Amino acid sequence: KAGVTQTPRYLIKTRGQQVTLSCSPISGHRSVSWYQQTPGQGLQFLFEYFSETQRNKGNFPGRFSGRQFSNSRSEMNVSTLELGDSALYLCASTQGSPLDEQYFGPGTRLTVT
Amino acid sequence: AQKITQTQPGMFVQEKEAVTLDCTYDTSDPSYGLFWYKQPSSGEMIFLIYQGSYDQQNATEGRYSLNFQKARKSANLVISASQLGDSAMYFCAMRGGTSYGKLTFGQGTILTVHP
Repeated sequence: KAGVTQTPRYLIKTRGQQVTLSCSPISGHRSVSWYQQTPGQGLQFLFEYFSETQRNKGNFPGRFSGRQFSNSRSEMNVSTLELGDSALYLCASTQGSPLDEQYFGPGTRLTVT
Repeated sequence: AQKITQTQPGMFVQEKEAVTLDCTYDTSDPSYGLFWYKQPSSGEMIFLIYQGSYDQQNATEGRYSLNFQKARKSANLVISASQLGDSAMYFCAMRGGTSYGKLTFGQGTILTVHP
């Protein structure tokens, strides 16, 4: 069974631009979560989607948004990029129950210049 | 709210020896899950082991075992017979029974395995 995939793996953007990251969960998994990892803040939860609905969100500004499609694939968007948005963005999938094991993708490394 | 504390920023172990990585947690949720992940320098977060709060026995997965002491709120990871490929960052994480999708992570422990 294929794992979680994320595209692109690397991105370089300029301040003020916007970016869209994509995540395809493990087949049969209906929940996708997104995390931001930085050296200073560690791993922080962005949001979680299940059956195209956002069920949970972390404490991030509205510039960070996401969505999920009917095939469970998810995208996250960051608008008006800031230097501080440079990070590794990880997505993870589960079948959907709160205590399911969560499997991560390889991440997208975003650099904002 | 949940909180994870990993007090060991770095650990060193000799190849083929066992090592314990510490993790303590705090939560008000009656049911929760505890997770350990390995993150090599490539960045991918690799799932290692899971322990449910109501599980009676400690979880084991190959060379990994989780020493779960509920009363002390600790969930230490034990790696037996360390290998050079075990050198990586290790994260302890937890999720409450109502926290859909949200894992709370500790700050991590960098493990270095010496030949």
